[in-house]
Amino acid sequence: DVKVTQSSRYLVKRTGEKVFLECVQDMDHENMFWYRQDPGLGLRLIYFSYDVKMKEKGDIPEGYSVSREKKERFSLILESASTNQTSMYLCASSLVALGAANEQFFGPGTRLTVL
Amino acid sequence: DQQVKQNSPSLSVQEGRISILNCDYTNSMFDYFLWYKKYPAEGPTFLISISSIKDKNEDGRFTVFLNKSAKHLSLHIVPSQPGDSAVYFCAATATGANSKLTFGKGITLSVRP
Repeated sequence: DVKVTQSSRYLVKRTGEKVFLECVQDMDHENMFWYRQDPGLGLRLIYFSYDVKMKEKGDIPEGYSVSREKKERFSLILESASTNQTSMYLCASSLVALGAANEQFFGPGTRLTVL
Repeated sequence: DQQVKQNSPSLSVQEGRISILNCDYTNSMFDYFLWYKKYPAEGPTFLISISSIKDKNEDGRFTVFLNKSAKHLSLHIVPSQPGDSAVYFCAATATGANSKLTFGKGITLSVRP
């Protein structure tokens, strides 16, 4: 089974702090994604990466950056956390699709609270 | 611009009855559709998918129907069970999109015992 793990289930940070959210997948997937989930807004894509050191902005990249130095690890960075970044953060991975789409496998999520 | 719409935020059904969850999309480039199920404090898990070359896909109690002309799909759960109570997300993607999915806002399904 594909396993996607996230470094923390719950995290509390203060406004202005730098926050690192780590995600690791063990199935050699090329694609990795970071989403945030908020009530009434569904899942919104922050950034994704289709290869090591490659990244592309999603729908809501403002206030975030990412790093992918190794294929299995994709980090989300909040340079200066703000209260409106309080959310559930979800990491996902998938194989490269050739002519068809492949499902994404999600980690358990990190509930981040910024005070 | 919301490309995948789940217009009903919640649905409540009796155990044993059918649950029908609807989803509409606007982007005609979408050619693959997925349903995910999410419990509180857990990540979404893949449930079922359908390619645009089909109009129906069935997996046990779960069936997804696709009406391309109406840009509409629906997930049927028969019979519904209390363990099906969760948030259901509809997602869509286009070939060549690097598996990037566009999600709807989700529907909260409650199955009453």
